[in-house]
Amino acid sequence: DVKVTQSSRYLVKRTGEKVFLECVQDMDHENMFWYRQDPGLGLRLIYFSYDVKMKEKGDIPEGYSVSREKKERFSLILESASTNQTSMYLCASSLVTEAFFGQGTRLTVV
Amino acid sequence: GENVEQHPSTLSVQEGDSAVIKCTYSDSASNYFPWYKQELGKRPQLIIDIRSNVGEKKDQRIAVTLNKTAKHFSLHITETQPEDSAVYFCAASIIGNEKLTFGTGTRLTIIP
Repeated sequence: DVKVTQSSRYLVKRTGEKVFLECVQDMDHENMFWYRQDPGLGLRLIYFSYDVKMKEKGDIPEGYSVSREKKERFSLILESASTNQTSMYLCASSLVTEAFFGQGTRLTVV
Repeated sequence: GENVEQHPSTLSVQEGDSAVIKCTYSDSASNYFPWYKQELGKRPQLIIDIRSNVGEKKDQRIAVTLNKTAKHFSLHITETQPEDSAVYFCAASIIGNEKLTFGTGTRLTIIP
């Protein structure tokens, strides 16, 4: 069974804080993704990575950065959290086609 | 880039009836179309997918159809059951370029 694990289920952060969301997968997948899920907007891709130290912008990268120092770990960084980044964040990994998702991190920025 | 539109946003059907969710995509190069199901409080999971060399695919009560010319694909659920209640997402991508573009989701409610 593929396991994609996100470090926190719920987070509350203050405006202006630097926030790290961590994701680890255990299936040696090349590709990893960060999505943001908002009601009525579906799943929107923030960043993805197809190899260690490689990253590509998705559809909504503004205000975010990522880090992939090891194959199994993909981190999403909010450099200076803002209230409009309050959302559910989903990490995913894939080898070829099927994406396997983590359980999600509900981030609230106050 | 790819744009995927999904309709309807909400759908309620009587238990035992059929449900149909429709998606359109914009990039004619897309050749992989998966459907994900997200139950309340859980992570999205793949339920069925179709590649562009196939027009229809079935798995028990679930089927997906693809019309490449019109650039649309649909999910069909027959004999619906309460456990089918969930949010369903369609997506599109190009095999080899693993970036999945998702639709906005359909909340399906099965009425007992």
